[in-house]
Amino acid sequence: DGGITQSPKYLFRKEGQNVTLSCEQNLNHDAMYWYRQDPGQGLRLIYYSQIVNDFQKGDIAEGYSVSREKKESFPLTVTSAQKNPTAFYLCASRRQGADNEKLFFGSGTQLSVL
Amino acid sequence: AQRVTQPEKLLSVFKGAPVELKCNYSYSGSPELFWYVQYSRQRLQLLLRHISRESIKGFTADLNKGETSFHLKKPFAQEEDSAMYYCALLKVPGNQFYFGTGTSLTVIP
Repeated sequence: DGGITQSPKYLFRKEGQNVTLSCEQNLNHDAMYWYRQDPGQGLRLIYYSQIVNDFQKGDIAEGYSVSREKKESFPLTVTSAQKNPTAFYLCASRRQGADNEKLFFGSGTQLSVL
Repeated sequence: AQRVTQPEKLLSVFKGAPVELKCNYSYSGSPELFWYVQYSRQRLQLLLRHISRESIKGFTADLNKGETSFHLKKPFAQEEDSAMYYCALLKVPGNQFYFGTGTSLTVIP
């Protein structure tokens, strides 16, 4: 079950704490995405990156930060500024090219606040 | 702004009955639209895309620019079709994917 791996599967955050969600892919994909999934709200785009050392904000970037130092990795940090972090987080990647529409998803991380 | 709307959160049909999952979009450019599916305990995955004009697992979807719709259809539902379905729009340039809120389909035996 390779391709794109998210860890941990479950994560708990204390008040005022920053936590980092890992996303790694071995598909040699250029683009990577972070989505937040809340019941009844579908998937909302947090950040995305089309190339190493470059990333753009999505619709709900406030309270989150990312980095893209390596092609394979796109970690998401949920900062203390994110007041409602409890959600299911999905990472996805995509190859640029002829078949570039297809998103490959990870299995997700459930973040909860203690 | 780009937006994808799926008006039905839940949809139940009997096995063998036709099924239609609705998707409407608003987009100022030329849309590229997709349907993604998530089966129980599996990852979200691509079902089909409008530019391919393909039928996957008996499902088809036609882009209607006049009605700004991309409804997913299948003439005879099967139990294994029970899943969560998301309509998605790709914004180009920018390469941002926007998803609808999803429709949970249950096929009743």
